Amino acid sequence: EAGVTQFPSHSVIEKGQTVTLRCDPISGHDNLYWYRRVMGKEIKFLLHFVKESKQDESGMPNNRFLAERTGGTYSTLKVQPAELEDSGVYFCASSHIDREYEQYFGPGTRLTVT
Amino acid sequence: AQSVTQLGSHVSVSEGALVLLRCNYSSSVPPYLFWYVQYPNQGLQLLLKYTSAATLVKGINGFEAEFKKSETSFHLTKPSAHMSDAAEYFCAVRASGGYQKVTFGTGTKLQVIP
Repeated sequence: EAGVTQFPSHSVIEKGQTVTLRCDPISGHDNLYWYRRVMGKEIKFLLHFVKESKQDESGMPNNRFLAERTGGTYSTLKVQPAELEDSGVYFCASSHIDREYEQYFGPGTRLTVT
Repeated sequence: AQSVTQLGSHVSVSEGALVLLRCNYSSSVPPYLFWYVQYPNQGLQLLLKYTSAATLVKGINGFEAEFKKSETSFHLTKPSAHMSDAAEYFCAVRASGGYQKVTFGTGTKLQVIP
């Protein structure tokens, strides 16, 4: 069974540019989460999808971040325009609807904004 | 409200020695507690979880953790460190019942010295 995959693994962009991160959850997992880790700090929750609906987006930093999950399969997280403080590692996780607390994480996307 | 404190951002042990990674939590309701491990260039992997059953929880790779309510602790231990245990370890907490956000600690990097 394939795990959670994320693309790209690394992205370097300039301040003001746009970047889109993609996450493919484990097949059959209705729950999909986005997290972010800024260098050396804790991993912070961004938002949670149940299928295509946003269950909780209270962790999204501001309106420069837009997450979508069309069709309830893969998800994208767009940052537009990117700022220096957006640099970090963005993790995606997924879980089965019946065991939502067992989250499986992807390898993350390392975003560097210069 | 909930939080996690991991004591020691870096821990070094000799191969074959006891591994002890400390985690203290706070939660206003009964918690679920987790330990995740992240190997280089990989995603977070669930090591073990406490979900209000047995207080001594055994996980993968010989790790275990004990939930101590009186001490609000959930320390991770392994009797004998292997070189392959070198990784970053994250403690996490969420409230029990229904969907709840997960709060992570800042992580502890474990170095195993041959």
